[in-house]
Amino acid sequence: ETGVTQSPTHLIKTRGQQVTLRCSSQSGHNTVSWYQQALGQGPQFIFQYYREEENGRGNFPPRFSGLQFPNYSSELNVNALELDDSALYLCASSLARKDIQNTIYFGEGSWLTVV
Amino acid sequence: AQKITQTQPGMFVQEKEAVTLDCTYDTSDPSYGLFWYKQPSSGEMIFLIYQGSYDQQNATEGRYSLNFQKARKSANLVISASQLGDSAMYFCAMTSMNRDDKIIFGKGTRLHILP
Repeated sequence: ETGVTQSPTHLIKTRGQQVTLRCSSQSGHNTVSWYQQALGQGPQFIFQYYREEENGRGNFPPRFSGLQFPNYSSELNVNALELDDSALYLCASSLARKDIQNTIYFGEGSWLTVV
Repeated sequence: AQKITQTQPGMFVQEKEAVTLDCTYDTSDPSYGLFWYKQPSSGEMIFLIYQGSYDQQNATEGRYSLNFQKARKSANLVISASQLGDSAMYFCAMTSMNRDDKIIFGKGTRLHILP
């Protein structure tokens, strides 16, 4: 039990649609990161939010966007869905940008299928 | 750029035997952290063990130990007395202590424990 919850757990969307995935961070954690994990691959960093500001971005197009709210929960939005967006999306929360070790906690992920 | 390499796509090990999962890394950062995560079929990324680049001793957590050889840039995971419940995907990962909490993952090793 990591205290990080994600919703929905599974969803199916049609190509071209938009999707919003949600993440509730562990209490007190002010940093949230999103990862995309395609089938058979390791997770790839999408972006990170620290105190409601984007704090780094991986190699993903602008149609991947995010928000972090004052309570540090977060959303990942993907517009104009493509078939290759089908993946497990993982949210990770941590206490501070420089605080690593074992204080990065992952949620159970949202499985997105684009048809 | 940081990179993690896991050369074993899959491994089969007899129950109760010890198993070593290989991981090599590349980074130009002088200060970094190395992680191992376990991912069962449910998708959740479960933290196993952490090693800081300046830690003098190899990390241990119960049945898990990290064989850290800094000069060789390797961070192998050793699981002693393997159990059927250890069957899962295992990811080696790293992060830089000089930047944000972005985690770079390897492609993973699927471990099968045989009864």
